[in-house]
Amino acid sequence: KQEVTQIPAALSVPEGENLVLNCSFTDSAIYNLQWFRQDPGKGLTSLLLIQSSQREQTSGRLNASLDKSSGRSTLYIAASQPGDSATYLCAAARLEHGSGNTGKLIFGQGTTLQVKP
Amino acid sequence: NAGVTQTPKFQVLKTGQSMTLQCAQDMNHEYMSWYRQDPGMGLRLIHYSVGAGITDQGEVPNGYNVSRSTTEDFPLRLLSAAPSQTSVYFCASSAGHPSTDTQYFGPGTRLTVL
Repeated sequence: KQEVTQIPAALSVPEGENLVLNCSFTDSAIYNLQWFRQDPGKGLTSLLLIQSSQREQTSGRLNASLDKSSGRSTLYIAASQPGDSATYLCAAARLEHGSGNTGKLIFGQGTTLQVKP
Repeated sequence: NAGVTQTPKFQVLKTGQSMTLQCAQDMNHEYMSWYRQDPGMGLRLIHYSVGAGITDQGEVPNGYNVSRSTTEDFPLRLLSAAPSQTSVYFCASSAGHPSTDTQYFGPGTRLTVL
């Protein structure tokens, strides 16, 4: 059974610092890996999606990498800002055999980031 | 576009009551999903639909029913509410397969079952 783990559960950094959020998954047979942002009391916003054939994706100050062999993905945030404060979740799309990929995302529990001014 | 909308935002039920959580999207997306989010458990898939008239179970379907009579709407029904169903419920939609296309989430419904 696919499990997705995010460590640490919470992180506090000063403004301007570069930081890395970690996501690990137990089954390397994933279809892709996605990163989401969730603000308090809100829904999720998709940040980056990395296909299993890719190694990384970039969007502005965000860079996500994927290493299937080690079962790890990282989200790199450059020059962090107070507006980056939120909970970041990763989700692995499990590869379903036989009936094909049914798009079931397995979510980690998230890392809550606080960027202090 | 309003995106994905959910009603109500908050709801309190007594054990045994039934209710329907509403979800609608105006992006003409084929795929729609329901998740619940619990502290320490992350988001878990309840039910999903790949198009009007087609639904399937997710990871935690027990106690919930869904139907998809139109492309726009995907209501989630709690048949007989239990305290274990206290959670925040999110609806999501995507144009293509959820595992390959961007998913758009609604703002959530916070449900408390007493």
